[in-house]
Amino acid sequence: ETGVTQSPTHLIKTRGQQVTLRCSSQSGHNTVSWYQQALGQGPQFIFQYYREEENGRGNFPPRFSGLQFPNYSSELNVNALELDDSALYLCASSFRAEKETQYFGPGTRLLVL
Amino acid sequence: AQTVTQSQPEMSVQEAETVTLSCTYDTSENNYYLFWYKQPPSRQMILVIRQEAYKQQNATENRFSVNFQKAAKSFSLKISDSQLGDTAMYFCAFLRRGGSNYKLTFGKGTLLTVNP
Repeated sequence: ETGVTQSPTHLIKTRGQQVTLRCSSQSGHNTVSWYQQALGQGPQFIFQYYREEENGRGNFPPRFSGLQFPNYSSELNVNALELDDSALYLCASSFRAEKETQYFGPGTRLLVL
Repeated sequence: AQTVTQSQPEMSVQEAETVTLSCTYDTSENNYYLFWYKQPPSRQMILVIRQEAYKQQNATENRFSVNFQKAAKSFSLKISDSQLGDTAMYFCAFLRRGGSNYKLTFGKGTLLTVNP
């Protein structure tokens, strides 16, 4: 276990709805990254937060947004859900002094119908 | 942009034997990290081993070792004395050092099955 937790574990939504996924970082970790893992693929970088500010973004539209809170927990919000948003969403936290090593949570499986 | 290629979608090995998973990458960077992550059926991604590009010595973690060939941009993972618990998806990943953010770029993965 990495100490990174995510909720919920599974979620079913319909197209057009909005969803919020949550992540609690490992204690002492102040950087959090979110990844989308489609079935049979490697994870794709969505964005990263450091000290509550977005610190880099992958090739995802603005309807993917995030927040990081003072306690370093984080949220991923997706608006106007599309069928292709169905995936496993992973968050990963890292300690700024060793920022290259990321520790992953178990993920949230999102199904959009 | 960096790309990571894992050319073996699936592999299998007998328990106690040795297996090598392949990974190649493409980058113009000189300063970076490479990782192998394991994702068992329970799906939590676990760090197996990491290699810093400026280090010539290959990284080793217990039964896991890498063969890092920087000029060839190759980064293979060797698992010795394979165990049933090694059954998982294995992802090779690249991270550029010194950038404004620390994003991992993953390959598509290799499904390793260890047979009793």
